[in-house]
Amino acid sequence: GESVGLHLPTLSVQEGDNSIINCAYSNSASDYFIWYKQESGKGPQFIIDIRSNMDKRQGQRVTVLLNKTVKHLSLQIAATQPGDSAVYFCAENINNYQLIWGAGTKLIIKP
Amino acid sequence: GAGVSQSPRYKVAKRGQDVALRCDPISGHVSLFWYQQALGQGPEFLTYFQNEAQLDKSGLPSDRFFAERPEGSVSTLKIQRTQQEDSAVYLCASTTGGGRTEAFFGQGTRLTVV
Repeated sequence: GESVGLHLPTLSVQEGDNSIINCAYSNSASDYFIWYKQESGKGPQFIIDIRSNMDKRQGQRVTVLLNKTVKHLSLQIAATQPGDSAVYFCAENINNYQLIWGAGTKLIIKP
Repeated sequence: GAGVSQSPRYKVAKRGQDVALRCDPISGHVSLFWYQQALGQGPEFLTYFQNEAQLDKSGLPSDRFFAERPEGSVSTLKIQRTQQEDSAVYLCASTTGGGRTEAFFGQGTRLTVV
């Protein structure tokens, strides 16, 4: 499959700092992208999405940036809180329904 | 219901045993998806239903895997003659439409084959 990696990248940030999580996607034809948050023992939870006709979208404390030239997505979380601790996945939508998921990044918040 | 409900939450099966995993989607959601998630990895697509029609089953790993949604609501994922490599979390998601609407995921069923 197109999922990558047995080793989960980890990002450790100080509480209150901003977090930036990066993701490379594989299919240049993908035109819809989603970020999910998955807490331990739970299913993924939708955070924010972006279509390929945009390069930036903002939500509450989160911003997604899309660079189609290099097939790169990033998720920025402002003023990171303990509740933000989770694994974050980017996913690209193909076939109008199927999601291809990235490897995930584990976000750890230091007090 | 308030969200997508999956049962059981945990299942331990002896190798060779058949298992059935249940998904109750959000009421009225047309689309239903099954994903398999191995430890430390992202979910991988298994199959997709629109109402009772199974439109894509290309992700099912083998013919031991079978999914159904006979009345367009509850879905069951069945695995026959379980093998150790089937151990994973099985996630169900539902949406109001196709894939470009927010998908709501259940908590998953963790299957361990011993």
